[in-house]
Formats: sequence, C-alpha cells, structure tokens
Amino acid sequence: DTEVTQTPKHLVMGMTNKKSLKCEQHMGHRAMYWYKQKAKKPPELMFVYSYEKLSINESVPSRFSPECPNSSLLNLHLHALQPEDSALYLCASSPTRDRGNTIYFGEGSWLTVV
Amino acid sequence: GDSVTQMEGPVTLSEEAFLTINCTYTATGYPSLFWYVQYPGEGLQLLLKATKADDKGSNKGFEATYRKETTSFHLEKGSVQVSDSAVYFCALRTPTGVQGAQKLVFGQGTRLTINP
Repeated sequence: DTEVTQTPKHLVMGMTNKKSLKCEQHMGHRAMYWYKQKAKKPPELMFVYSYEKLSINESVPSRFSPECPNSSLLNLHLHALQPEDSALYLCASSPTRDRGNTIYFGEGSWLTVV
Repeated sequence: GDSVTQMEGPVTLSEEAFLTINCTYTATGYPSLFWYVQYPGEGLQLLLKATKADDKGSNKGFEATYRKETTSFHLEKGSVQVSDSAVYFCALRTPTGVQGAQKLVFGQGTRLTINP
C-alpha cells in the first residue's frame, strides 16, 4: 500500500477564516512533506518533517502553520490567507533510509481563498 | 544549484504514436531521477525511477534510461493511448543536509494530449 490520504479534497475559505488540511499515511514513513502547486507549474516545497520534527521551512509565510502530531499524521493550519494562496496543496511522505527513496504524493487538497 | 530542464509543451500526438519527452539535469554527483505523472484534477503519481547510471526505469509501457554522459533521462513510450493524456514531470532527488529528509527538484512539466 503506497497511499497518502488527504482531506478535504476541496476547501473554500474566506480571508479571515481558520481552517486545516490533513494528511495521513500508514507506510511507516518518517519523512513527510507539504508542497504547493499553482496552475501549470511544478510543485514547490513548503515544509519537511523528519522524525516528527520540522526540518525544513522554505521561507513560507507564517499564515501557514504545519503540525506533525505523530508519525502518521501531518496537518497544515491556515489562517488569514490571501487569494494568491489559492492552489493545490500536496502532502507527501518517504522512507528515511536507503538510496533512491521514493516520495509518494497524495491526491491533494484544492484550496480556494475568497 | 541542481536543476532539471524538460522539453516545453504542450505535446499533441495521435493514438499509437511514439512518444519522447526530453529531460536533462544539472547536479553534483549522481542523483536519483524520477518521472511523475499528474492526470487532470489529481495529485502526482510516480511513473518510474532510476537510481544510478545506465539504470532503466519502466512502468505501464513507459521507459527512461539514466544517461550520465549526457545527463539525461528521456521518457519514451512506443504506442501512446488517449488515457496517457496528462502532465509529466521529470525530477531529481537532491540532498537537504537533514537526516531522512529529501528534496525533489522538478522540471517545468510537459502537458501531453493524445487524440483518438
């Protein structure tokens, strides 16, 4: 099973709302990622968690707040977003050992900020 | 820094045509290379990968060979189907300096449309 599950699939939120995106994997992967993908562009890395600790923050604005409650779950808390934050948000996970590790992506959460 | 360059799209072919999508990379060392596919409205799926020079990755009739002498990883398929219509991303894995954490560097993506 190489499945990364993301909820919700679609989210519409106002600029003053607080919402969260959720991600779950049961592959025993200890690295988890958030990517942002705008239309017709490749995904851009936002955050990396390794062994439940935030390892990389690619200079993401503080209105995006990641959380890794345990080794299977990853959340992205959203607050005071802007319309330009509308995008597909992809969660991913990977093993933390061996060369050639594959990063497995979820189906994504489509976010629209109004 | 590391980078990936893909042939620009969009690419439009007829069913059963031969497909090549070019991908070249710039990196220190010998990174693992990947092709991901994104069908309309969906996330990214791993299509194939290669971890060392001369490795050939293959899946669903698609193939790509890791060529270190030309720093290339071109995607090929002998006979495409309408269901292959999607965006294809070439990517390489680059070190992050953090234990257990990887980073993918993506090409810009190539949109492929197959007409019946």
